[in-house]
Amino acid sequence: KAGVTQTPRYLIKTRGQQVTLSCSPISGHRSVSWYQQTPGQGLQFLFEYFSETQRNKGNFPGRFSGRQFSNSRSEMNVSTLELGDSALYLCASSLGVAGQETQYFGPGTRLLVL
Amino acid sequence: GNSVTQMEGPVTLSEEAFLTINCTYTATGYPSLFWYVQYPGEGLQLLLKATKADDKGSNKGFEATYRKETTSFHLEKGSVQVSDSAVYFCALSGGAGGTSYGKLTFGQGTILTVHP
Repeated sequence: KAGVTQTPRYLIKTRGQQVTLSCSPISGHRSVSWYQQTPGQGLQFLFEYFSETQRNKGNFPGRFSGRQFSNSRSEMNVSTLELGDSALYLCASSLGVAGQETQYFGPGTRLLVL
Repeated sequence: GNSVTQMEGPVTLSEEAFLTINCTYTATGYPSLFWYVQYPGEGLQLLLKATKADDKGSNKGFEATYRKETTSFHLEKGSVQVSDSAVYFCALSGGAGGTSYGKLTFGQGTILTVHP
């Protein structure tokens, strides 16, 4: 079974631009969660989508948004990029039917904001 | 809210040494506990998990036991290899009803380096 895939793997943007990251979950998984990983803050939860609805949200500004499509693929968008948005963005998928399921991670998208 | 605390790193060991990485947690209810490993330039890989008190998760020689009385989930391996060099994350999920969906709370990570 194919794992979680993320595209693109690397991105370079400048301040003020916006960016869209994509995540394809494991087949049959309906929940997609997004995380930001930085050296200073570690791994922080952004949000989770299930059946095209945001079901949970972390403490990030409104510049961070996401959506999920009917095939469970998810996108994350960051508008008006700031230098501090430079990070590894990870998505993870799970079945989504219970609150404590195992999450399986993709390889991440490394975003550099100049 | 939920939180996870891992031992300070980095940890440097010689091959075949015994490994312990401490992890303690704070959570309401009955969370599930996980250890993930991250190799350079990669995402997180699930190493092992435990879903209830006294459960022991194990994989590839690594073990961890869910201790509710001490709110701990320490990772151990009897004999490490150079290939075990990576960053290890302790994480928890759940225990807080609806707000737990899809959310893992991570420790700060422990860098492990194993020398030949």
